[in-house]
Amino acid sequence: DAGVTQSPTHLIKTRGQQVTLRCSPKSGHDTVSWYQQALGQGPQFIFQYYEEEERQRGNFPDRFSGHQFPNYSSELNVNALLLGDSALYLCASSLVGAATGELFFGEGSRLTVL
Amino acid sequence: AQSVAQPEDQVNVAEGNPLTVKCTYSVSGNPYLFWYVQYPNRGLQFLLKYITGDNLVKGSYGFEAEFNKSQTSFHLKKPSALVSDSALYFCAVRDVRGGATNKLIFGTGTLLAVQP
Repeated sequence: DAGVTQSPTHLIKTRGQQVTLRCSPKSGHDTVSWYQQALGQGPQFIFQYYEEEERQRGNFPDRFSGHQFPNYSSELNVNALLLGDSALYLCASSLVGAATGELFFGEGSRLTVL
Repeated sequence: AQSVAQPEDQVNVAEGNPLTVKCTYSVSGNPYLFWYVQYPNRGLQFLLKYITGDNLVKGSYGFEAEFNKSQTSFHLKKPSALVSDSALYFCAVRDVRGGATNKLIFGTGTLLAVQP
């Protein structure tokens, strides 16, 4: 049973560039959430996708956008990168019908912006 | 507003001794509480959750947590610490606001260091 997989694991970008991060949810899961974890902080909710639509967005600017595909996989796009976007980006999957279920996290994509 | 607080940035304990990692919460309505662990350069791994029922919740790797409604706390415990338990621990509460399901609000984390 494959867990949540994310790619790439590490990447380095410069200010102003754009980045795309990818996530495949755990088998059987239909909902994907993205979190940003800055150094020394807890994960912060970016947004959640279900049925290819954004269900809720956290306190992040429009530079952060996402997409969910029919196979439930998801992408996180960040435009006009800032130094402060350097963080570990975590993808988490869950089942919408499991209202009290836990999130399953991937290993994360570590983004460094120079 | 839904929130959790982890008052200790770091907890140090000797191997074989009991450990406690503290968490307090603030929610409107019934709390759904979680503990996750993060090893260096890794994602988060689920340890345990409290939804309802028994105030003592047992989880993975010998960890347990005690839910205390009057003190609004959900402390993580283990009777005998192992060096391999050294990691970053996050308490989280489910946020029921908005359209997302299973959206979690995390604390700032507590680094557990177990000395041999």
